[in-house]
This record gives sequence, C-alpha cells and structure tokens, in this order.
Amino acid sequence: QSVLTQPPSVSGAPGQRVIISCTGSSSNIGAGYDVHWYRQLPGTAPKPLIYGNTNRPSGVPDRFSGSKSGTSASLAITGLQAEDEADYYCQSYDSSLTTVAFGGGTKLTVL
Amino acid sequence: QVQLQESGPGLVKPSETLSLTCTVSGYSINSGYYWGWIRQPPGKGLEWVGSIYHSGSTFYNPSLKGRVTISADTSKNQFSLKVNSVTAADTAVYYCVRGTVATNPSSYDSWGQGALVTVSS
Repeated sequence: QSVLTQPPSVSGAPGQRVIISCTGSSSNIGAGYDVHWYRQLPGTAPKPLIYGNTNRPSGVPDRFSGSKSGTSASLAITGLQAEDEADYYCQSYDSSLTTVAFGGGTKLTVL
Repeated sequence: QVQLQESGPGLVKPSETLSLTCTVSGYSINSGYYWGWIRQPPGKGLEWVGSIYHSGSTFYNPSLKGRVTISADTSKNQFSLKVNSVTAADTAVYYCVRGTVATNPSSYDSWGQGALVTVSS
C-alpha cells in the first residue's frame, strides 16, 4: 500500500482531456516535497514526464502538464492520443517512512 | 547523452545474494548526480531500492531491512547493487537510474532498460 494514492485506471476518448491524481499527506506532498511523474509503456522502462511538480523535460509535448496543491498533485493530459495508453506513476518523498515513494500507478486507456 | 545498462545473473536461489552492476556511458558518475536502483515486481508498481551520491554517501529504503548495499567503482564508471538473503518477494525487474539534484527528492531522468531477476530454487 503506497503512501501516494493514484486511481488504478482512467480512460478517455482521443482528443479528450484526462487528469490523473496523486493524493498524499502532510508527511510527503503536503510537507513540500516535489512531485515527479513518469510514463511506462508496456515492456519498457519508465520515462520522465514531469519533474519538480510542473516542469517538462526536453522533448515532452505541452499536452502534458503537472500541478500540485496542498497534499495532492495532478497530471493533466490534453488532446489524448492512442500512444498515450500507458501506466503513469507519481513520485515524491515521505518523511515519516524516510523513503522515496511512488504512487501505485494508473493505467490510462484510450477508448 | 547518458546511457545506463544493467548486467548480472537473471536467476538467484533463495537465501543467496542478488548482485547487479550498472555500467554508465556518456557521463562520469564522479561528476555529480545520484545513482540508484528502482525495482518493479512482475505486474506491480515501482519501488525505490536505494541510491549513492557521487560523494559516496548511500541511502536505502528502510523496508528492505538492511539487506541492501550500493557501491560505486569510479574507475569503471559503474555502480552496483547487492541484496542479500533474497526471497521470492525480491523477484523483479531492477532498473538502474540517474537521480537529479535540482529537486527534492531527486527525479530520475535516465533509466536503464531493466534486468529481470528471478529468485527461485
């Protein structure tokens, strides 16, 4: 059971907007630790999508955006495309457990 | 462009030691960043194992109860992972990663392709 809670699955039609939430607590996101997001296509290593809550690495399209407020963070994907179908993970740090923490992952299905 | 590549045995017997090496190219591990390991059991999510800073300081996931050691060989530009007293629960794909220092915690901007390690007799 992760200290960062993500919905197991989300779905949307091509062109639509979806949001993936990452809910934490006062010992992780709420304590001010940065949140990062990764995308994992089947059978491949995760790749960074958002770092430092809102920043996109070079090469990541601006269809992807991150936000953070209070004890939660969110990843928004606009203009959904078939190739966005993947698993998405949030990551932060938990000061109570003294460990880097990942969310349980969210499977995005493009209808 | 930094590249990371894991290597090591794909099968380890229960109670023995899992050993993996990550060879880094395109960047000197002595120059900065954190260098670490993240694992993913089959069909499950990601778990941080630990990391080593370029200064040599190490950080481990407390849930692994002191079974983990990460070390670096700067002459070979490699870093290694050892997990002792393994059980079936340690079966996973192990990724070596580079962690940035600009955020808190690090984000992992480069990943190896992953190495599947199965614990079985």
